[in-house]
Amino acid sequence: AQTVTQSQPEMSVQEAETVTLSCTYDTSESDYYLFWYKQPPSRQMILVIRQEAYKQQNATENRFSVNFQKAAKSFSLKISDSQLGDAAMYFCAYRSDYGGSQGNLIFGKGTKLSVKP
Amino acid sequence: DSGVTQTPKHLITATGQRVTLRCSPRSGDLSVYWYQQSLDQGLQFLIQYYNGEERAKGNILERFSAQQFPDLHSELNLSSLELGDSALYFCASSQTSGESTDTQYFGPGTRLTVL
Repeated sequence: AQTVTQSQPEMSVQEAETVTLSCTYDTSESDYYLFWYKQPPSRQMILVIRQEAYKQQNATENRFSVNFQKAAKSFSLKISDSQLGDAAMYFCAYRSDYGGSQGNLIFGKGTKLSVKP
Repeated sequence: DSGVTQTPKHLITATGQRVTLRCSPRSGDLSVYWYQQSLDQGLQFLIQYYNGEERAKGNILERFSAQQFPDLHSELNLSSLELGDSALYFCASSQTSGESTDTQYFGPGTRLTVL
């Protein structure tokens, strides 16, 4: 079974600076998708970024980028120019690429990010 | 706003009772997923429906059941409630059954408190 591990329960960053959140996963599959979701105090789960395992190029969405290391099974999220609105729980998630019954997400325990003004 | 709606936002009930949580997926999405978020278990997948049929089951208790109706909205039924069922229940929807580039979008959740 696949597992997702986020080893940093809490992180803190100064406004305008850069922070990296770590995520590792365990799988025997070769095709899969990885996601970062953000959960602000409102509790809404918001998709931040997605990475296809077959793509070597790291995904980027504005100030958010990932460092995907497939061999190391590592998927870290880098937030540049941190803003107060980035303060939230961040969840790393895994999804198989076999469709159908494997379509659900497997989540890590989350990292709580605080942004200091 | 993800386009996924869930009702009610909050639900307070007593042990032993039964409740129904409702979810309407984004327009055009055929899959609905239910997840439970609790302090001790984190975010866990419960069950998936695709175009009216059950597609996958996760860590769903026998006291819990779900269905997806012809208009694609879904309901999660929780019965014989226990204190430990208190959690945030999310519904997510996606276009397909989970293939390829499918992405799940989450609703705002239903906060269930069992007293």
